[in-house]
Amino acid sequence: SQQGEEDPQALSIQEGENATMNCSYKTSINNLQWYRQNSGRGLVHLILIRSNEREKHSGRLRVTLDTSKKSSSLLITASRAADTASYFCATDAGGNDMRFGAGTRLTVKP
Amino acid sequence: EAGVVQSPRYKIIEKKQPVAFWCNPISGHNTLYWYLQNLGQGPELLIRYENEEAVDDSQLPKDRFSAERLKGVDSTLKIQPAELGDSAVYLCASSADTFPGELFFGEGSRLTVL
Repeated sequence: SQQGEEDPQALSIQEGENATMNCSYKTSINNLQWYRQNSGRGLVHLILIRSNEREKHSGRLRVTLDTSKKSSSLLITASRAADTASYFCATDAGGNDMRFGAGTRLTVKP
Repeated sequence: EAGVVQSPRYKIIEKKQPVAFWCNPISGHNTLYWYLQNLGQGPELLIRYENEEAVDDSQLPKDRFSAERLKGVDSTLKIQPAELGDSAVYLCASSADTFPGELFFGEGSRLTVL
């Protein structure tokens, strides 16, 4: 069963614009992670945010976490065509297994 | 350092045939995961190993799926017999931590059942 739900399912923007993806989850967590998947490839870890953190940055990525609303957002600033991929959030649901959402398919047009 | 290695990358079989997928995790990673990913969906956990012990196999359809991780290193996932609905990508991931940290994924094995 999948723990998280990403929103929107698909997002299309122009190069240089910012992209925001949201993730909602159902149960309490210890940490939440975001992954990227290029077509036909495996998933690549982007960033991990712990339940006691509210915001985290990594390069052009900014992740926020609101445990009271059970939601997280991933912001990609100044997007590039190479950012075109599917983005997934994953949570541990308080245990040791990472459960993934259905993902947001991001298309960045040059 | 080598990443997670999976083989085969692609497999096409007829229904009712057996199939096996192999995964070699990153050296030193004690935790190994098998996920199933349907087209347009996120990965769904099948089984998690801590060393050679399967600590969570609640999502593994045990009537036709089996997995093993001998000596706590590489792992094999088997389907016998395969059904049409098993067509998917089978992803292997490993982690250095028992508590969920960063997962490192292989490229996946794409199965097509005809």
